[in-house]
This record gives sequence, C-alpha cells and structure tokens, in this order.
Amino acid sequence: NAGVTQTPKFQVLKTGQSMTLQCAQDMNHNSMYWYRQDPGMGLRLIYYSASEGTTDKGEVPNGYNVSRLNKREFSLRLESAAPSQTSVYFCASSQGVIGNTIYFGEGSWLTVV
Amino acid sequence: DAKTTQPPSMDCAEGRAANLPCNHSTISGNEYVYWYRQIHSQGPQYIIHGLKNNETNEMASLIITEDRKSSTLILPHATLRDTAVYYCIVRVRNSGYALNFGKGTSLLVTP
Repeated sequence: NAGVTQTPKFQVLKTGQSMTLQCAQDMNHNSMYWYRQDPGMGLRLIYYSASEGTTDKGEVPNGYNVSRLNKREFSLRLESAAPSQTSVYFCASSQGVIGNTIYFGEGSWLTVV
Repeated sequence: DAKTTQPPSMDCAEGRAANLPCNHSTISGNEYVYWYRQIHSQGPQYIIHGLKNNETNEMASLIITEDRKSSTLILPHATLRDTAVYYCIVRVRNSGYALNFGKGTSLLVTP
C-alpha cells in the first residue's frame, strides 16, 4: 500500500519554464491537498480538492493551477516558474475535509534558477 | 478562524516525558485539535487528534482543557527519534475546512 505518491522528487527549473507535479493516492480518499514548505517555515496550503470535480484556493494559490484528474490524482502546475517558487511541495489526502486525518507524501524538492 | 500558538522550540532528555503545549483560545465547538510531526526532510506524520476528550494512542496522549482553549501533547518516553517539528492544528473554516499548518515547535531530544 503506497499511500500518497508524488513525482518528481527533485526538479530544477529555469525561470519562466512550466512544469507539473503529479500526485496519486491509493487510499480511496475523497479530498486531496497541495502544500509548500519554505526553509524554516511551516506548511502553507496552496490548493485543495474537497472531492472529485472540485478545487479551491488555499492560503498561497498565486502562480499555481491544479487539476483533480480523477479521485486518485491531483496535479499542481506552475505555468511560469519564478525563483520565489523554490520550495518543497507536499501532496496530501484525507477521507474528507472535516475532522479526518490527512496523510502526506514524501515531498517534491523544486528549485527555480 | 481558530489560530494556534506554540513555543518555537523545546528540549527534552531521552527517556523523559515530552509535554508540548498549544494555545487555541478561539477554537469553535466543532473544531478538532490535530497534532502532526515532521522529521527533517520527510513528509508530516499524523500523531493524534481530539475534539474535547483526552485521547491516547500508541504514539502519544492528547490532553485538552475543559474549556478547549489549550491542549498538551505528551510523548511519555521520548527517544532521539522523536526529535522533530511538532504542529498543533485546528481546522480552519475559510479554507474549506482544510488544515493549515503554522511554524510548530521544534523538539530536540538529547541523550
């Protein structure tokens, strides 16, 4: 049982390039999330999807887009990467958004130069 | 929205109990208190959660005050592997009920 799987684990981008972070969960969870974590900071919510077919902005959505492709997959896209988006990105999932345990992937390290 | 306040850092001797406090004075009646931890460079790990009763599992105990304005996470016998950042989280309403993490408490367990 893999839980939450993110790809790629490491990526270096040039400013202005685009890329998509992929996330999949095999726990049949309804809700999925994308967080970012900057050095010495806590996690900040970028976007979330309460259920298949819905997405909502979190605390720091600017510069990102998301797609809930199906119940298992939730992708995060950077259309024009900026150095300020250098961070560690975590995908997560839970059965529901209210009072349910959130399970995290191992993270994707993104550097924008 | 309920916010949480945690000390930025704490130390604990190996084998002793680690008591990590959290203030959440604006918590609403239907909001849960969650604790997660993050060991360096890994994804956050769920520890425990509660609504108003004290809770215990194989990892830790959660003590919530009667007025629910604060809570304490207790690691009964801390080990070096418990060195991590510990996050106290309350469900945030205006983010569609998703959990928002703060800066947490950095716990250092020393030999």
